[in-house]
Amino acid sequence: GEDVEQSLFLSVREGDSSVINCTYTDSSSTYLYWYKQEPGAGLQLLTYIFSNMDMKQDQRLTVLLNKKDKHLSLRIADTQTGDSAIYFCAESDGSSNTGKLIFGQGTTLQVKP
Amino acid sequence: GAGVSQSPSNKVTEKGKDVELRCDPISGHTALYWYRQRLGQGLEFLIYFQGNSAPDKSGLPSDRFSAERTGESVSTLTIQRTQQEDSAVYLCASTEGPNSYEQYFGPGTRLTVT
Repeated sequence: GEDVEQSLFLSVREGDSSVINCTYTDSSSTYLYWYKQEPGAGLQLLTYIFSNMDMKQDQRLTVLLNKKDKHLSLRIADTQTGDSAIYFCAESDGSSNTGKLIFGQGTTLQVKP
Repeated sequence: GAGVSQSPSNKVTEKGKDVELRCDPISGHTALYWYRQRLGQGLEFLIYFQGNSAPDKSGLPSDRFSAERTGESVSTLTIQRTQQEDSAVYLCASTEGPNSYEQYFGPGTRLTVT
């Protein structure tokens, strides 16, 4: 079945760039997503990319998609302590017409001052 | 325009009891999803509603789990004879339709089975 894999932990210094990586298996996914979850809070959609795009930039966020390698990355420029959270990569399930999402296990980003 | 709401926010129950979790989606959103998030893990899909019908129940882990939706609005997830492994955060999301790219998530219900 479809699977999404992420590294579990990333630690950076404030002001540095963070890069969170994700691999997925479903080549028929229409959209790929990055969600942010802060402690005790719900999921917040950070950004998404359509599967026919290679890159999307949105302020401090840059998403890169390599469809050949089924690799997705999220770069956060000038990382701030407020960016500390768990980041989830997700893909839309291309095998169904339901729009359901398949999530990775999340990457905990720790930003040190 | 309120977002997706869920109740209760926290539920502690004894093993073997039944629980009901409620989701109020964004008004007008026809698609509704339930996910489960176990501690330290990503979200697992449970069930999808389009209107009041559930064409995809493939994520329900056992027949102790069931869900319904009425009036193309509120949905209830019921877990019968709860077990400790059911302890998790249960999240609900809604979208305008299955082809909408953005799912709006509720804050979740944290279920603890003792």
